[in-house]
Amino acid sequence: DVKVTQSSRYLVKRTGEKVFLECVQDMDHENMFWYRQDPGLGLRLIYFSYDVKMKEKGDIPEGYSVSREKKERFSLILESASTNQTSMYLCASSLPTSGGPPTYEQYFGPGTRLTVT
Amino acid sequence: AQSVTQLDSQVPVFEEAPVELRCNYSSSVSVYLFWYVQYPNQGLQLLLKYLSGSTLVKGINGFEAEFNKSQTSFHLRKPSVHISDTAEYFCAVSDTNAGGTSYGKLTFGQGTILTVHP
Repeated sequence: DVKVTQSSRYLVKRTGEKVFLECVQDMDHENMFWYRQDPGLGLRLIYFSYDVKMKEKGDIPEGYSVSREKKERFSLILESASTNQTSMYLCASSLPTSGGPPTYEQYFGPGTRLTVT
Repeated sequence: AQSVTQLDSQVPVFEEAPVELRCNYSSSVSVYLFWYVQYPNQGLQLLLKYLSGSTLVKGINGFEAEFNKSQTSFHLRKPSVHISDTAEYFCAVSDTNAGGTSYGKLTFGQGTILTVHP
């Protein structure tokens, strides 16, 4: 089974703090994604990465940055947390690089609920 | 650009009743289509997907969906729901260049909260 893990289920931070959200996948997936989920808005893509050290902005990258130093790990960074970044953050991965045809679906972690006070 | 519209934000039903959750999409290219389910305090889990072939797709937990290209729809159905089906459901679309420059990005709908009452 594909496993995507996120470092924290719940996190409370203060305004202005630098926040790191970590995501690890164990299936040798090429692509990794960070989303935020807000009621009534669905999932919105923040950043994604298609290879080590490669990243692309998604639909709402402002206030965020990412890092992918190893294939299995993708980090989301809030440089200076603000209250409007209070949200559920979901990490996902997709596209195995070996072992059969690609399946294209994304596999999700359990999410991190971040509260910024 | 792609977009996905889930036509109902909330759907209440009684146990053992049938249910349909509606999803329409717009895209200028061929697409792959997905339905995901999110149980409370959990991540998203794939219910089913349409990549090609038969337009009627069967998924887990008795759900199925039908791809209708002319109506650009991918509605999710279940003939008899259980209390345990209470969750939020998301429709998503990816263009078929998923292995290429689109990198398998998904565009999600706003979600439909299905509440099954006893």
